[in-house]
Amino acid sequence: RKEVEQDPGPFNVPEGATVAFNCTYSNSASQSFFWYRQDCRKEPKLLMSVYSSGNEDGRFTAQLNRASQYISLLIRDSKLSDSATYLCVVNNNNDMRFGAGTRLTVKP
Amino acid sequence: DGGITQSPKYLFRKEGQNVTLSCEQNLNHDAMYWYRQDPGQGLRLIYYSQIVNDFQKGDIAEGYSVSREKKESFPLTVTSAQKNPTAFYLCASSMSDGNYGYTFGSGTRLTVV
Repeated sequence: RKEVEQDPGPFNVPEGATVAFNCTYSNSASQSFFWYRQDCRKEPKLLMSVYSSGNEDGRFTAQLNRASQYISLLIRDSKLSDSATYLCVVNNNNDMRFGAGTRLTVKP
Repeated sequence: DGGITQSPKYLFRKEGQNVTLSCEQNLNHDAMYWYRQDPGQGLRLIYYSQIVNDFQKGDIAEGYSVSREKKESFPLTVTSAQKNPTAFYLCASSMSDGNYGYTFGSGTRLTVV
């Protein structure tokens, strides 16, 4: 079993759609959680951290369920510029584990 | 501005050659990492270093070597022993516990010719 598993995608959605990505992790001792965005042939960039209480940044909402070892990312009102690969990342004492990523394409 | 710089952006290597990828950060981060990314795959950890003059193997260290003589610098050498070196190499750094995430360099794309 992979340490971090994500929806394989790809997700192809129209502009304005709401899209949700899911991620599960295997190490229950994991301490911190993140979503990264990676554009084609570029480096990953931190999109947002994920907290147990849930957190929101504009159109993006992240949720963490420690009991189920599950993380989600919701994107509302999708824009063309949201097209990218989204990486779920789980940290245990500075041992970061990356999911393989979910590719999103937002179409006009 | 603080950041992490990788060079070169593109690198071509002949069979049997060793090549060294540069990674420098001015974020005052203690920890630095090297990852490899192959098309359609996730990041795989090659080596990491938590402090100067100390480093540990990651999941795929065979055929690679590193040094950490200065806090700011963590060069990666891809040796001729690495059988399939063509990939996108990413360097990252973080504060010691990683709880604020990693900052990545812009990557080096290595191709064997």
